Amino acid sequence: KAGVTQTPRYLIKTRGQQVTLSCSPISGHRSVSWYQQTPGQGLQFLFEYFSETQRNKGNFPGRFSGRQFSNSRSEMNVSTLELGDSALYLCASSLTLYYEQYFGPGTRLTVT
Amino acid sequence: GENVEQHPSTLSVQEGDSAVIKCTYSDSASNYFPWYKQELGKGPQLIIDIRSNVGEKKDQRIAVTLNKTAKHFSLHITETQPEDSAVYFCAASITGGGNKLTFGTGTQLKVEL
Repeated sequence: KAGVTQTPRYLIKTRGQQVTLSCSPISGHRSVSWYQQTPGQGLQFLFEYFSETQRNKGNFPGRFSGRQFSNSRSEMNVSTLELGDSALYLCASSLTLYYEQYFGPGTRLTVT
Repeated sequence: GENVEQHPSTLSVQEGDSAVIKCTYSDSASNYFPWYKQELGKGPQLIIDIRSNVGEKKDQRIAVTLNKTAKHFSLHITETQPEDSAVYFCAASITGGGNKLTFGTGTQLKVEL
């Protein structure tokens, strides 16, 4: 069974630009969560989607948004990029709510 | 909100020894506690988890214990091997909080030959 896939794996953007990251969950999984990982703040929850609905949101500014499609694939968008947005963005999929979560390899975003 | 503290931040053991990593959580409503292993350049890998209705769970060389009264849980790795070297994260989620995980700050485990 294929794991969680994230594209692209690496991305370099300039301050002020916007970026879209994609996540394909494990086949059959309906819940997708996103996390930001940085050396200073560690792993922080961004948001969670289930059945195309955002179920939960972390403490991030409105520049961070996401969505989930009917096939459970998810995208997250960051607008007006700041240097501090440089991080590893991780997607995790789960069969449904309150089940084990499995992470993808992440997208390494560098903002210059 | 939930807060998870993890200790130690670094741990060095000799091959074959045991390693123990400890976490404490703040919200008594937390009911699910997974542990993840992250190797360089990879995403976190779920290695074991425990729910609040269980006190201990084992999977081969790995075990997790939970003390709900003290609000702490621990990861135990026995007979450590060089391939166990990685960063380990504990996490907790709250009843009714969906799949939101609050993570500890991580423990860099190094298994020396």
